[in-house]
Amino acid sequence: EAGVTQFPSHSVIEKGQTVTLRCDPISGHDNLYWYRRVMGKEIKFLLHFVKESKQDESGMPNNRFLAERTGGTYSTLKVQPAELEDSGVYFCASSGLAGGPGNEQFFGPGTRLTVL
Amino acid sequence: AQKITQTQPGMFVQEKEAVTLDCTYDTSDQSYGLFWYKQPSSGEMIFLIYQGSYDEQNATEGRYSLNFQKARKSANLVISASQLGDSAMYFCAMREDENFNKFYFGSGTKLNVKP
Repeated sequence: EAGVTQFPSHSVIEKGQTVTLRCDPISGHDNLYWYRRVMGKEIKFLLHFVKESKQDESGMPNNRFLAERTGGTYSTLKVQPAELEDSGVYFCASSGLAGGPGNEQFFGPGTRLTVL
Repeated sequence: AQKITQTQPGMFVQEKEAVTLDCTYDTSDQSYGLFWYKQPSSGEMIFLIYQGSYDEQNATEGRYSLNFQKARKSANLVISASQLGDSAMYFCAMREDENFNKFYFGSGTKLNVKP
């Protein structure tokens, strides 16, 4: 079974440009999450989808960030326009409705975003 | 206030020895879950172990065990018989049952296993 995949693995852009990150969750997982880790800090929750609906977007930093999950399969996270402080590693995770005993989330390898 | 605190940015351990990675948490919920994830240099986050707040026994998964001390709000990860492949970042995480799907993570501990 394929795990969570993310594309691209690394993106370098200039301040003011737009970048779109993609996440493909594990097939059949209705829950999809985005997290971000800024260098040396903790991994922070950004938002949570159940199928195509946003359940919780309390962690989204500002309106320069737009997440979508059309059709309830893959998700995109767009940053427009990017700022220097957006640099970090963006993780996507997914989980099934039932989940394991702890409802563990399965993570992708992350996209490292560098804004110059 | 930070929900998860990992006070060890980096740790060294000799191969075949045991190592403890510290994690303390902060919550007022009665029901919550604690997790440890491993992130090797390849980048993927690997789920290691889970402890529920009502579980009376410490969780164990192979060479991993979670030393759960509820009164002290600590959830330390113990790796026995360290192997070179254990070198990685380790993240402690918590979810509160009030918001079952939102994980809080610590800043991680970089473990280096020396041959």
